Amino acid sequence: GAVVSQHPSRVICKSGTSVKIECRSLDFQATTMFWYRQFPKQSLMLMATSNEGSKATYEQGVEKDKFLINHASLTLSTLTVTSAHPEDSSFYICSASREGADTQYFGPGTRLTVL
Amino acid sequence: QKEVEQNSGPLSVPEGAIASLNCTYSDRGSQSFFWYRQYSGKSPELIMSIYSNGDKEDGRFTAQLNKASQYVSLLIRDSQPSDSATYLCAVHGEGSARQLTFGSGTQLTVLP
Repeated sequence: GAVVSQHPSRVICKSGTSVKIECRSLDFQATTMFWYRQFPKQSLMLMATSNEGSKATYEQGVEKDKFLINHASLTLSTLTVTSAHPEDSSFYICSASREGADTQYFGPGTRLTVL
Repeated sequence: QKEVEQNSGPLSVPEGAIASLNCTYSDRGSQSFFWYRQYSGKSPELIMSIYSNGDKEDGRFTAQLNKASQYVSLLIRDSQPSDSATYLCAVHGEGSARQLTFGSGTQLTVLP
């Protein structure tokens, strides 16, 4: 199989706080992980691509200082939303790929609500 | 700019019918093609991948690829109400750092 988990599944926080989301590949080594954001009734928007042991590559318009990504091991990547504001409320989804493969397996997503 | 186009729908079919979902892509160098299903409020789940021209069947699902026409489709036979979801077409281009380009999705409703 190819199972990807995310934690937490849902988080509510106050404006100005930081939130960390974990993405884990449970049964395979993920050399590349991706972070997406999805607003209601819209398609997936790629935020950044991370490779184990190197800095993430952010898509145009995504603030790297606000969305901190760490991919410290072959099974774990984290996304930290710093100083969250209500407009950051969204569905954040990670995906992971095996080395040399194109297929992305998605985690279940994290619904962030910033009050 | 690489683009993946899908008819947003909604597409409605009666239970038991064949649902046909279509996708076109702009990057002629694209190598890998995927169909994901996304239920409302959930994350996408992989249904099928296809890499070569022709048909690929998996249960009730058949993916069809025509690289010359830059066209990929998904057929769902004997559609069930549980197939009601948004279907995302995704394309991996040549040398695009493992990134997938997603279409905006087609919303399918299977009517009981």
